[in-house]
Amino acid sequence: DTEVTQTPKHLVMGMTNKKSLKCEQHMGHRAMYWYKQKAKKPPELMFVYSYEKLSINESVPSRFSPECPNSSLLNLHLHALQPEDSALYLCASSHREGSTDTQYFGPGTRLTVL
Amino acid sequence: QKEVEQNSGPLSVPEGAIASLNCTYSDRVSQSFFWYRQYSGKSPELIMSIYSNGDKEDGRFTAQLNKASQYVSLLIRDSQPSDSATYLCAGGPPDDKIIFGKGTRLHILP
Repeated sequence: DTEVTQTPKHLVMGMTNKKSLKCEQHMGHRAMYWYKQKAKKPPELMFVYSYEKLSINESVPSRFSPECPNSSLLNLHLHALQPEDSALYLCASSHREGSTDTQYFGPGTRLTVL
Repeated sequence: QKEVEQNSGPLSVPEGAIASLNCTYSDRVSQSFFWYRQYSGKSPELIMSIYSNGDKEDGRFTAQLNKASQYVSLLIRDSQPSDSATYLCAGGPPDDKIIFGKGTRLHILP
């Protein structure tokens, strides 16, 4: 089973709202990723967690706050977002961090910021 | 040279023909390569991974890696309308993050 799940599928929020995106995998993977994808662009890496510790933060604004409560779960907390943050947010996981291990993507959360 | 480069297309191929998607990469990207298919509005789905020089076949898909020439390609035989999607090539330096190309839009003509 190579399934990564994400909730919610769609999210509409105002600029003053606080919301969270959730991601879960049960493949025993120890690396989990958040990506942001705009239309007609490739996925853009935001954060990497390796063994539940933040490994990479690609200079993402502090209005995005990741959290890894355990090895199966990854959250992305959102606060005071801007309309330009509207995008498809993808979670992925792999056995280990790094370019040699296959990353499996979840279905994504389509975020609209009004 | 960008680290992973793809022609953005669109690439139009008649149904039943072979679709050939190409990707070139820089010296820094040397280890492993992946092809993902992404339908509009959906998430990327792994098609193939390839680590060694040569060909790797899986059903109608063949990935080819040529490290000397620094290119990796994906061939799709007997192309179907359902193959119409954006194909993302990805690779990465050892012990570093994966890098995605910009993707090639493939359109299979019925």
